[in-house]
Amino acid sequence: SQKIEQNSEALNIQEGKTATLTCNYTNYSPAYLQWYRQDPGRGPVFLLLIRENEKEKRKERLKVTFDTTLKQSLFHITASQPADSATYLCALGRNSGYALNFGKGTSLLVTP
Amino acid sequence: SAVISQKPSRDICQRGTSLTIQCQVDSQVTMMFWYRQQPGQSLTLIATANQGSEATYESGFVIDKFPISRPNLTFSTLTVSNMSPEDSSIYLCSVATGAAYEQYFGPGTRLTVT
Repeated sequence: SQKIEQNSEALNIQEGKTATLTCNYTNYSPAYLQWYRQDPGRGPVFLLLIRENEKEKRKERLKVTFDTTLKQSLFHITASQPADSATYLCALGRNSGYALNFGKGTSLLVTP
Repeated sequence: SAVISQKPSRDICQRGTSLTIQCQVDSQVTMMFWYRQQPGQSLTLIATANQGSEATYESGFVIDKFPISRPNLTFSTLTVSNMSPEDSSIYLCSVATGAAYEQYFGPGTRLTVT
């Protein structure tokens, strides 16, 4: 069966450090992969998209890598800030269109 | 981007009743989606609602339980019918503008069934 796995344990890091979150998947051949941020009581907010033929994507302090051989994506936040504390969701796009399958998310806590 | 609002933001309903959730977008969009997020679980796609066609339901979700309307390009409703406590969840709508694959989500409707 298809699975998207994100670390269920919360990630606690100190302000200024780099946070690295992992998304692993099985039995998928996604056309693209997305990362979203979700704050308590709010809907997810789109952060980055990376396509299957791309290895790395950057946006300001964010970086995403995508290894289709390992079936893994890494999401990095450099120079992390307490305002980065949230749950981060990995989502895989289906080849047939726009529908997404989401992982459960990883909670990130950045402490001053 | 798109700004999405949902009504109601939360509700407490009795078993056996139905609730209709509204999703309003500030611009015309082709693709709308309805998701469910149960406590501690991932977002699960219920159905895709494209204007001018019947909604497409995911495995495990049926039209009789979750009827969807999409009367125009800025509005959709999801009804949760004959509710049971297992339907207690957050229901979210999202849209894709078509220019890219990212989705924009509403704030969600928190439903509690007693």
